Amino acid sequence: DTGVSQDPRHKITKRGQNVTFRCDPISEHNRLYWYRQTLGQGPEFLTYFQNEAQLEKSRLLSDRFSAERPKGSFSTLEIQRTEQGDSAMYLCASSLAGPGDRGYTFGSGTRLTVV
Amino acid sequence: QKEVEQNSGPLSVPEGAIASLNCTYSDRGSQSFFWYRQYSGKSPELIMFIYSNGDKEDGRFTAQLNKASQYVSLLIRDSQPSDSATYLCASPVGNTPLVFGKGTRLSVIA
Repeated sequence: DTGVSQDPRHKITKRGQNVTFRCDPISEHNRLYWYRQTLGQGPEFLTYFQNEAQLEKSRLLSDRFSAERPKGSFSTLEIQRTEQGDSAMYLCASSLAGPGDRGYTFGSGTRLTVV
Repeated sequence: QKEVEQNSGPLSVPEGAIASLNCTYSDRGSQSFFWYRQYSGKSPELIMFIYSNGDKEDGRFTAQLNKASQYVSLLIRDSQPSDSATYLCASPVGNTPLVFGKGTRLSVIA
């Protein structure tokens, strides 16, 4: 069990560019979650998958954001036409079924800076 | 009203004291509650979860849940400087698997 891996750790991009982040969950976990966190705030829910099915998306997730989990393993989060307000830490987490008694395991995050 | 609310602090306590962190929630249907600890620059890590009214103890940590008052708290006994972090309260709300509060920043002074 190598934990939840996120790549890259840091990304600096110019406004208007597209970016893609990858998350590899713990192998036996069937649920995968994406959150966004800005300074001084708690993690904000974006979307989650059970296996390859995307079950819920936040109303805050604009149409510039898209996430996939094509084979029920790793997931990608793409942001198109980035804006400065997209600068944040993007956190991925995984779990087995519901939170249960193990809760989520978070990855180290991808810090996005839009300049 | 936000779904999960916490006082952002900072809360400062001397080493060895009890730190009390509080959280209120608006969804009466919430059934499970989680406390995460987040060190500066790191990702959140689960400390405790609680489903039933009353207290749940794990080492120096005690979670307390009062569903009638829609209130959940975390007590840290014998606080250590290494406990200095932001503590996040979270609960499922509707179809959202976990909604987090803003977090309370705890500072334990040696």
